[in-house]
Amino acid sequence: DIQMTQSPSTLSASVGDRVTITCRASQSVSSWVAWYQQKAGKAPKLLIYKASNLERGVPSRFSGSGSGTEFTLTINNLQPEDFATYYCQQYGDFFLTFGGGTKVQI
Amino acid sequence: QVQLQESGPGLVTPSETLSLTCSVSGDSMRSYYWAWIRQPPGKGLEWIGYIYPTGSTIYNPSLMSRVDMSMDTSKNQFSLKLTSVTAADTATYFCARGPTMVAKFWGYWGQGTLITVSS
Repeated sequence: DIQMTQSPSTLSASVGDRVTITCRASQSVSSWVAWYQQKAGKAPKLLIYKASNLERGVPSRFSGSGSGTEFTLTINNLQPEDFATYYCQQYGDFFLTFGGGTKVQI
Repeated sequence: QVQLQESGPGLVTPSETLSLTCSVSGDSMRSYYWAWIRQPPGKGLEWIGYIYPTGSTIYNPSLMSRVDMSMDTSKNQFSLKLTSVTAADTATYFCARGPTMVAKFWGYWGQGTLITVSS
């Protein structure tokens, strides 16, 4: 299986900050990575697909980059509604895997 | 607007079989991948498996021996069966759909249903 190692597991930030979350794949997944946001008690919400493509309706302060084994999710000008947990997911293999999650907190 | 809704028993006895159904409205089932994903309380997401439009399936290797997924397009539903459950299978179970015909990432999700395994 392809492992997705996400860091940090917890991130403390303030409104207006720029935050970066990293996912490292145990082997190349090309650009087949998606990012999700999950708030407490809710289903995850798709933010980014194919490493850098913004899902419709997602604010432009979210961006993704990377290829191969290293991927990043960046949130510019952090807003109060962005405090949540973020997950990466690889789909470069038949068997899908998620990262362990990053909680963005105040 | 595509909507997914999980339904299930809420409580399952250890060693028994967990059965869940996802009801789909707002679109045809024939053109997308459909998945089950779970999340133990306070933990991260775990992919369980997905089913192709043809009805063929791919399962998480760690669960493969206990999982069975099926699809009933006439009812706009797909289902999950997980056998020989233990407390470790206690989780919120989500059904999900890819946003496009070839996507194995998940743009539409059900609200999730909490399944507790306990005697």
